[in-house]
Amino acid sequence: KAGVTQTPRYLIKTRGQQVTLSCSPISGHRSVSWYQQTPGQGLQFLFEYFSETQRNKGNFPGRFSGRQFSNSRSEMNVSTLELGDSALYLCASSAKQGNYGYTFGSGTRLTVV
Amino acid sequence: AQRVTQPEKLLSVFKGAPVELKCNYSYSGSPELFWYVQYSRQRLQLLLRHISRESIKGFTADLNKGETSFHLKKPFAQEEDSAMYYCALSGMRNAGNMLTFGGGTRLMVKP
Repeated sequence: KAGVTQTPRYLIKTRGQQVTLSCSPISGHRSVSWYQQTPGQGLQFLFEYFSETQRNKGNFPGRFSGRQFSNSRSEMNVSTLELGDSALYLCASSAKQGNYGYTFGSGTRLTVV
Repeated sequence: AQRVTQPEKLLSVFKGAPVELKCNYSYSGSPELFWYVQYSRQRLQLLLRHISRESIKGFTADLNKGETSFHLKKPFAQEEDSAMYYCALSGMRNAGNMLTFGGGTRLMVKP
């Protein structure tokens, strides 16, 4: 079956703009999480969604937001982009909410100039 | 708070040598621990999880609650094992679940 799909793969934006990233989980997976990966901070948790509800949020400013749709697809949005938002954004899905291994997508590499 | 520490950023060994990637964690509850691997130009993928007590690609990891460690071991390293390895802890927070990752260890297996 298809894996976790993230679009777009690459994105270049200007400071102050906003961006929306998309994630399609594995079919049947209802839990979707987002992570930010940077060389300096490593992998950091952004949000977790389950059945269209945000269950958990990491320590990121309110400029970072997300949502999950009824088909489990998820989007994350970053407003008023800053240079420091340049990172690889990873989406991961799991069949259930709980302590299960997550399957990750290839990520969206966002560059803010 | 949950925290995962991987003390070595880089581990270099020769092919055929034993490998041990260290992982220590801090968590007040009962943790679920994982090892993820990222090969060059590939996505992050699950290598193994402690609840399964499995061996994948010759790697094993044992949870030591007394030492709060979950070290990854392989008796004989292969060149194809060269990759970035991340230890992760899954714990409940608020109403949801989250993975906390260590900083990662780059394993280089030399011929």
